Amino acid sequence: SAVISQKPSRDICQRGTSLTIQCQVDSQVTMMFWYRQQPGQSLTLIATANQGSEATYESGFVIDKFPISRPNLTFSTLTVSNMSPEDSSIYLCSAKYLHYEQYFGPGTRLTVT
Amino acid sequence: QKEVEQNSGPLSVPEGAIASLNCTYSDRGSQSFFWYRQYSGKSPELIMSIYSNGDKEDGRFTAQLNKASQYVSLLIRDSQPSDSATYLCAVNGADSNYQLIWGAGTKLIIKP
Repeated sequence: SAVISQKPSRDICQRGTSLTIQCQVDSQVTMMFWYRQQPGQSLTLIATANQGSEATYESGFVIDKFPISRPNLTFSTLTVSNMSPEDSSIYLCSAKYLHYEQYFGPGTRLTVT
Repeated sequence: QKEVEQNSGPLSVPEGAIASLNCTYSDRGSQSFFWYRQYSGKSPELIMSIYSNGDKEDGRFTAQLNKASQYVSLLIRDSQPSDSATYLCAVNGADSNYQLIWGAGTKLIIKP
């Protein structure tokens, strides 16, 4: 398995501001993913982050709103920009290991007021 | 649209019984199948992976895969109250650049 940390674990932010979430993996991985999960719902993939290339965004998510950095094989950040209450959610990062399995960080609970 | 379907539940099972969770998937090219457990307020935790037809056992957990029927299941023997959680089924998309396709999850409640 893997040890993945995220910070902050939770935050309360004001409308119009931005928050950067950090994700650290304990070993080198080629692919990391960022998800959003609303309470009681399944995971929605925001983007795939490969080291050394631009992140690939899913339909409905754009780089201007969710810029992602992947500076090395153990670290990634997701920024939620110009936040609105609709961005309130749990944000999860994961890392891909052998045979497609993904391991998750503990998540960041974001509340936008 | 590639899909993974699960019964949302809740599935209520008495303590000590076998809990059976089911999942169907639409992409015939999928080769990797996973079960994750998610406790309320926590992130998903990988509990089982299966790649070939048949059964795979790990402690009280057994994953079953039938690629011809596009069906994967998870059996939990001797269910404990600590097994109460939401169980997510995830499947790789054959052409999806290592992404997983996620089911909506089944909420399992183990009653003492």
